[in-house]
Amino acid sequence: GQQVMQIPQYQHVQEGEDFTTYCNSSTTLSNIQWYKQRPGGHPVFLIQLVKSGEVKKQKRLTFQFGEAKKNSSLHITATQTTDVGTYFCAGTGNQFYFGTGTSLTVIP
Amino acid sequence: EAGVVQSPRYKIIEKKQPVAFWCNPISGHNTLYWYRQNLGQGPELLIRYENEEAVDDSQLPKDRFSAERLKGVDSTLKIQPAELGDSAVYLCASSSTGTAIFGEQYFGPGTRLTVT
Repeated sequence: GQQVMQIPQYQHVQEGEDFTTYCNSSTTLSNIQWYKQRPGGHPVFLIQLVKSGEVKKQKRLTFQFGEAKKNSSLHITATQTTDVGTYFCAGTGNQFYFGTGTSLTVIP
Repeated sequence: EAGVVQSPRYKIIEKKQPVAFWCNPISGHNTLYWYRQNLGQGPELLIRYENEEAVDDSQLPKDRFSAERLKGVDSTLKIQPAELGDSAVYLCASSSTGTAIFGEQYFGPGTRLTVT
């Protein structure tokens, strides 16, 4: 069945360092979404990518959708303590699946 | 604008007991989703409604789980009887698009269920 994996599972960075999480699907996706979930909170929508090779930016966040539409990445430049949380990708293939998530800790 | 409302926020029950969760989506959102999130994992889609029709319930354990959205607005998710493995956070989400491509989803705060 369809699986959406993310790496790394955990990432600790010093404030100011960059951070990247990678999302890989076993099947081709029609779209990919990214969500952020703060500790004890609920997922909050960040962005949706639809086109092959698409790149979108939101301030310090850069999102990419792979050419084959089977992978995606989220890159945060110069992390801040407010970036702490778990980042999930979620994709639509034959089903809709959330990825396994990457938990980001930012050390002040 | 009010967000997605869920109740209760917390529920503790003994195994074999029934439990129900309620969700009120954002006004005007025709698509409603129920997810289950286990600790340290991503949300798992249980069922998706387009208005009052359940269009995707393939991952809903139908032997003990049921859901309804009678008037296409509020929804209830029920578990009967509950098992220890049902302990999780149950999230409700809604969106305004109802195509095959899932739209931007707005999540409620969730109900944390503990089965003892």
